[in-house]
Amino acid sequence: GESVGLHLPTLSVQEGDNSIINCAYSNSASDYFIWYKQESGKGPQFIIDIRSNMDKRQGQRVTVLLNKTVKHLSLQIAATQPGDSAVYFCAENLNSNSGYALNFGKGTSLLVTP
Amino acid sequence: EAGVVQSPRYKIIEKKQPVAFWCNPISGHNTLYWYRQNLGQGPELLIRYENEEAVDDSQLPKDRFSAERLKGVDSTLKIQPAELGDSAVYLCASSTTPNYGYTFGSGTRLTVV
Repeated sequence: GESVGLHLPTLSVQEGDNSIINCAYSNSASDYFIWYKQESGKGPQFIIDIRSNMDKRQGQRVTVLLNKTVKHLSLQIAATQPGDSAVYFCAENLNSNSGYALNFGKGTSLLVTP
Repeated sequence: EAGVVQSPRYKIIEKKQPVAFWCNPISGHNTLYWYRQNLGQGPELLIRYENEEAVDDSQLPKDRFSAERLKGVDSTLKIQPAELGDSAVYLCASSTTPNYGYTFGSGTRLTVV
């Protein structure tokens, strides 16, 4: 399954399928990106990050792809499990006059069905 | 290792009343952040501390919000007086260096009625 993040806030996939969550970021000067997972009633949990000098990074069952040309970020989850059901946020590191700040997107809700 | 601890978990108050939230960051984390998360939205930064110094409070509504981080460890965020629009989850996070390796607490869900 595939989501456009901000435009399709809910993604439903079957257990065992691969999931792709997309995110469009706003600032071409952003140099660091993070994906977070947030379960109901909990704070965001770090999943994986990537710096702007890379275009791909892999973790355990997760891969982040960065396309700086079109300012696009994606999170791929392999063999999606029910425990992956949550809201996923991308965040970009913006350099501002007053220092660093993380800018979060609105999130995509992932629902894994058995 | 204990994570970022926040209290209370839930708070319901009437509008115009004061409210305070408390955060204990991970030991050794010099950078502390307060975020506000509205329903269905991503977190938005309110204030960032480096030790006891507030280095970014540009998004903090200073007419009613205040924060402190005495001795560079625990932090409190206060709203006085609260308004209906302040209903949200208030998240605290900490990191060893600015913006890298964030760890979030579970948040305080505030409901203003």
